[in-house]
Formats: sequence, structure tokens, C-alpha cells
Amino acid sequence: GAGVSQTPSNKVTEKGKYVELRCDPISGHTALYWYRQSLGQGPEFLIYFQGTGAADDSGLPNDRFFAVRPEGSVSTLKIQRTERGDSAVYLCASSPRQGGEQFFGPGTRLTVL
Amino acid sequence: AQRVTQPEKLLSVFKGAPVELKCNYSYSGSPELFWYVQYSRQRLQLLLRHISRESIKGFTADLNKGETSFHLKKPFAQEEDSAMYYCALSSQGAQKLVFGQGTRLTINP
Repeated sequence: GAGVSQTPSNKVTEKGKYVELRCDPISGHTALYWYRQSLGQGPEFLIYFQGTGAADDSGLPNDRFFAVRPEGSVSTLKIQRTERGDSAVYLCASSPRQGGEQFFGPGTRLTVL
Repeated sequence: AQRVTQPEKLLSVFKGAPVELKCNYSYSGSPELFWYVQYSRQRLQLLLRHISRESIKGFTADLNKGETSFHLKKPFAQEEDSAMYYCALSSQGAQKLVFGQGTRLTINP
């Protein structure tokens, strides 16, 4: 079956612009996670959804970052007033249940010029 | 605070030699530990988790709570083992993973 998909695969934007990154989890997976991976580093947790609600958003670095999952399936990560330091690969993962194996998407590479 | 440390950024061994990728963690409770692997041009995937006590692709890892370590081992490395390896921790009651910075393993023919 289809795995986690993320669009776009690459996004280049200018400093100060707004971007949206999309994640399509595996069908039926109730848990969804966003991570950010900077060059040479491991993935860093941003936010976790269980169903439609954000159960843990402690990893969001500041209020420019926001994520939604309105119908408990697709999720969108939104970044306002992008900064060059936001450049990274943004990873999405889904899991069939709390504490279950997390299945990762291919990531979106965001470059802020 | 939870932290995962992988002291080696790069590790190179010859085919057929034993390999050990080191992982140390800091967490005061009972963690769950994982190893994730990313092969070239593929997505991150789970290799093994300590609670399942499985051997996957010949790899094993034992949780040593006294030394707060979860080293990944394989007795005879194969060329297809070349990849990026990440150790990760999940704390009690939390769902998020805390990752180490990763070790790039290269198996030389």
C-alpha cells in the first residue's frame, strides 16, 4: 500500500514569505508527527497529532510555526515570515496508534533564500 | 531533559568485520529505545526497538540501563549495510521521538 506522502518534495522561497507543507499519512493512521531535520543533524520533533487535535506542540520553535489536521487525516505545516534558519528537511510520520511504529515520509526540503 | 548521543559521525569498516554503532542516552525514567536507518535515496525506517528484542538484518541492540547505552551491533558487516543510522528515544507517556545526530556507516569491500 501507499506510504506517507509529502508535497512538495522541494520548496524554495524568499525570506519573509509564507509556506505550507502538506503530509498525507497512511490511511487509517490516527497519530501524525512533524519533525525538522537540519543539515548534519538528526530529526527534531515539532508537533504530534492524535486524530484532529494537537496532543503535543512543544517542539514548535516559535509562533511563526503552526500545523493543522482538520479531518484527522491530511496535515499541513504552515510557516509564516520565513527566515533563512528555517531551511531544513521537514519530515512527516504517521502511526496506527499511540506508541506504535512511526512510518516516515520522504520529506520536504525547504530552502529560504 | 532527554538527550541521545551518537559519538561517531562517521564509521567505516570492512565487509565481514564486526560493527558497533554507539548510542548513549540521558533520561531519568524508563525510556523506549529505537534504531532507525536511512539507506541512500530512501526514507527513514525503523530498524529495531528494544522492547521487541528482535534481530533485524543481523543487527541486535541491548538496552543497558546501568550505562544508559543502546549500542547497535552486527557480527559480520555487509556492503548493503552502508547507510545513515539514528538512535532515538521515546519517554514514558510521550509519543515523540528524540533522535541522536546520526552515524554514517560505510562498509568497504
